[in-house]
Amino acid sequence: GAVVSQHPSWVICKSGTSVKIECRSLDFQATTMFWYRQFPKQSLMLMATSNEGSKATYEQGVEKDKFLINHASLTLSTLTVTSAHPEDSSFYICSARGETGKSYNEQFFGPGTRLTVL
Amino acid sequence: AQTVTQSQPEMSVQEAETVTLSCTYDTSESDYYLFWYKQPPSRQMILVIRQEAYKQQNATENRFSVNFQKAAKSFSLKISDSQLGDAAMYFCAYRDYGGSQGNLIFGKGTKLSVKP
Repeated sequence: GAVVSQHPSWVICKSGTSVKIECRSLDFQATTMFWYRQFPKQSLMLMATSNEGSKATYEQGVEKDKFLINHASLTLSTLTVTSAHPEDSSFYICSARGETGKSYNEQFFGPGTRLTVL
Repeated sequence: AQTVTQSQPEMSVQEAETVTLSCTYDTSESDYYLFWYKQPPSRQMILVIRQEAYKQQNATENRFSVNFQKAAKSFSLKISDSQLGDAAMYFCAYRDYGGSQGNLIFGKGTKLSVKP
C-alpha cells in the first residue's frame, strides 16, 4: 500500500506555545486528508477533513481557530495546535486518500504524533 | 447518521485458536464499505480486511475472514490460527460508497489479547 508519513513522531512543548505537525503522502497524490485525535484506550475521533486547495471542514466541537489545518499541496497537510494547553495532549493521526477514478479509493494512515503539553 | 458498535471491549484467545470479534452498524444506505483495522502497540493503523456491501460473498484475507450479514447489519471478524502478533486493538469501520464519498466511522474498538 501507499505510505503516509508524519513528523514529528512525538513532541513535548510548553503550555501556550504552538506546535505544527506535518503529514505527507510519499508516493501518491492525496486529494483528501483527514486528521484524527485518539485518547488513550479510545477510538479515533475525526477532527477535520481537508481537500487540497480548499478550507478544511471541521467536525462539530472542534475549534478551528485552535487546530489550524492547511492542505496546500497534494502531498502535504499540516495541523497546527495553537496556544497549546495540557488538555490538548493526545495522539494525533493523519490519513490520506487519493482520487483514482475508481469507485473505491483506499485511505492510508500515518504513524501518528504524540503531543505532550507541559 | 451512521453508527458503528463494537460490544466487546476486550477479548482473549489462545495461540493457534480461533476468535470472532463482533461489530454491528446502522445506516440507511444500501451501498457502503465496511472495514476492520488493526492498531498494534505501535499505534499504526493497519487495514485488515474490506467488504463492499453490494457483494454477497464474505471477504477473506489469509487467516482473516468476515461474516457479513447485511440484513442484520452485522460484520464480524474471524481470526483463525491466532498468532502472538495478532494482539492489538481492532476497530470496525464504516464508509459511504463512492470513490470520494465520506469519512470512516469507527467503532470503539476491541482489545485482543493472545495467550501463548
